[in-house]
Amino acid sequence: NAGVTQTPKFRVLKTGQSMTLLCAQDMNHEYMYWYRQDPGMGLRLIHYSVGEGTTAKGEVPDGYNVSRLKKQNFLLGLESAAPSQTSVYFCASSWIGKINEQFFGPGTRLTVL
Amino acid sequence: GDSVTQMEGPVTLSEEAFLTINCTYTATGYPSLFWYVQYPGEGLQLLLKATKADDKGSNKGFEATYRKETTSFHLEKGSVQVSDSAVYFCALVAGTASKLTFGTGTRLQVTL
Repeated sequence: NAGVTQTPKFRVLKTGQSMTLLCAQDMNHEYMYWYRQDPGMGLRLIHYSVGEGTTAKGEVPDGYNVSRLKKQNFLLGLESAAPSQTSVYFCASSWIGKINEQFFGPGTRLTVL
Repeated sequence: GDSVTQMEGPVTLSEEAFLTINCTYTATGYPSLFWYVQYPGEGLQLLLKATKADDKGSNKGFEATYRKETTSFHLEKGSVQVSDSAVYFCALVAGTASKLTFGTGTRLQVTL
């Protein structure tokens, strides 16, 4: 099993450009999440999904959109990138239930110039 | 809202020293509590968890006890190794959702 994979690993964008980050998991997990990690702020939840075809806003959703067309994939889109979106983005997945472990991908380092 | 407060780092220790990283929380109801570890260049991994008061989570020599009366979940290890150098995150899940609320992380550096 590959676990949780993220594509790409690194990306540099110019302000105003768009891009999509792909997250894939092969563990048949129902829940998937997108976080951003910034120095001194820990991880903050951007959007999450509790099942195929469903998405919900997290703590910092502005400037991002997501889609969960297939159970195994969770896409994070930036329509018009801004320097404030420079961050490391982590995807995670888990089984249903609050006590279950979230499995994290290796992260995508995004720089917006 | 729910929140987690961790001690600021970095924490620098010599190998075989005793480690404590403090974590306190605020949450509605009875949260589940977690410690995650992030090694350099990697994603987070679950280190240990506790789901109710007085539970003790343990893994790889690390321990943490869920203290409801002090709303704390401090991480301890009796003898750290260089390979324990990483960032440690305390986190909780409250209510019916599976959304984690993270602390800001504490960087641990262990030297020979």
